Amino acid sequence: DTEVTQTPKHLVMGMTNKKSLKCEQHMGHRAMYWYKQKAKKPPELMFVYSYEKLSINESVPSRFSPECPNSSLLNLHLHALQPEDSALYLCASSSSPPGAAYNEQFFGPGTRLTVL
Amino acid sequence: KQEVTQIPAALSVPEGENLVLNCSFTDSAIYNLQWFRQDPGKGLTSLLLIQSSQREQTSGRLNASLDKSSGRSTLYIAASQPGDSATYLCAVAPQGGSEKLVFGKGMKLTVNP
Repeated sequence: DTEVTQTPKHLVMGMTNKKSLKCEQHMGHRAMYWYKQKAKKPPELMFVYSYEKLSINESVPSRFSPECPNSSLLNLHLHALQPEDSALYLCASSSSPPGAAYNEQFFGPGTRLTVL
Repeated sequence: KQEVTQIPAALSVPEGENLVLNCSFTDSAIYNLQWFRQDPGKGLTSLLLIQSSQREQTSGRLNASLDKSSGRSTLYIAASQPGDSATYLCAVAPQGGSEKLVFGKGMKLTVNP
């Protein structure tokens, strides 16, 4: 199994809602990532979990809250988002944490988030 | 600060052509370079990863080369097909400091039947 899965595929939420994005991988990877991608732009890193511990937080607003319940799962909890947070949210995983010579990242299909 | 550039931003070619996609980076201190493709509204698909000690990698009709000293990588696509139409991104994993991938802005490829 060489797949990263993400649910839901699409999400529409109001600015007062609380929702969660989910990501799962069964490749035994020990690093998992959240990226945000706006239209016609490359992905921007938000968070990195290495061995289930948060290792990188790219100064993301607190209305985004990551969680790594176990080595296969990664969640992104959303609360009080703004319309400018509308984007494609991508999850990725790699066998080793950042900083390794071989650190191929595998991406999921993404969740298209729209904030009204 | 590492910067990655992909020129041109878009390319349209007839089916069957052999293609060379370019990627340049400003700092040679990298762990690896990775090529991805992205279809509209979809996630990124990893195509090839070249470690800093390697010169090239091949997968099917794709061949990627890395010249660290000149800060360049090329992705060669043989006998292009309409199904190759997508946006191609390269990304480097820089050594030291922030260890996040640095992406180019991508190149949108259209292969016309």
